[in-house]
Amino acid sequence: DAGVTQSPTHLIKTRGQHVTLRCSPISGHKSVSWYQQVLGQGPQFIFQYYEKEERGRGNFPDRFSARQFPNYSSELNVNALLLGDSALYLCASSQGTYEQFFGPGTRLTVL
Amino acid sequence: GQQVMQIPQYQHVQEGEDFTTYCNSSTTLSNIQWYKQRPGGHPVFLIQLVKSGEVKKQKRLTFQFGEAKKNSSLHITATQTTDVGTYFCAGPRGYSTLTFGKGTMLLVSP
Repeated sequence: DAGVTQSPTHLIKTRGQHVTLRCSPISGHKSVSWYQQVLGQGPQFIFQYYEKEERGRGNFPDRFSARQFPNYSSELNVNALLLGDSALYLCASSQGTYEQFFGPGTRLTVL
Repeated sequence: GQQVMQIPQYQHVQEGEDFTTYCNSSTTLSNIQWYKQRPGGHPVFLIQLVKSGEVKKQKRLTFQFGEAKKNSSLHITATQTTDVGTYFCAGPRGYSTLTFGKGTMLLVSP
């Protein structure tokens, strides 16, 4: 079975721009979580969606938003990009347990 | 809010030496998980501990959950170069999501 997939793998944007990151969970997984990982740090929780409903939100500004589609894929949107948004964005799916299956991530660079 | 702390931040060992990383939570945890992230890769689930005082082994890796369920450790016996990476502990938050520690980066020299 395919694992979690994310697109794009790399992205370069300039300050003030908007970005959309995409994630497809493992087949059968209804929960998708987004994490931000800054170099040298652990993943930091941004959002969780389960059955298309937001179940949790981390300590991130309103510039960050997400949604989950009927096929359980998900998008993370970030508006008005700042230099500090440069990070690896990880998507993780689960079957409703705490074990997270991570995708390869999207490396976002903001110039 | 819940905080998960790990020590050391970084350790460099010679192949064959042992390695231990420690994890402490500011709150009692219902369970704790460990993940490994290879350089340039993504976190990969290693194990989940649930019971107070639980000890689990995976080949050369030994995981322990403290009696008070606020601390945990990962011990690797006789490290190999394939053990290189960053090891994270993570505690549950909310509905099936996690709070991660900052990780311990392990470098193994041949």
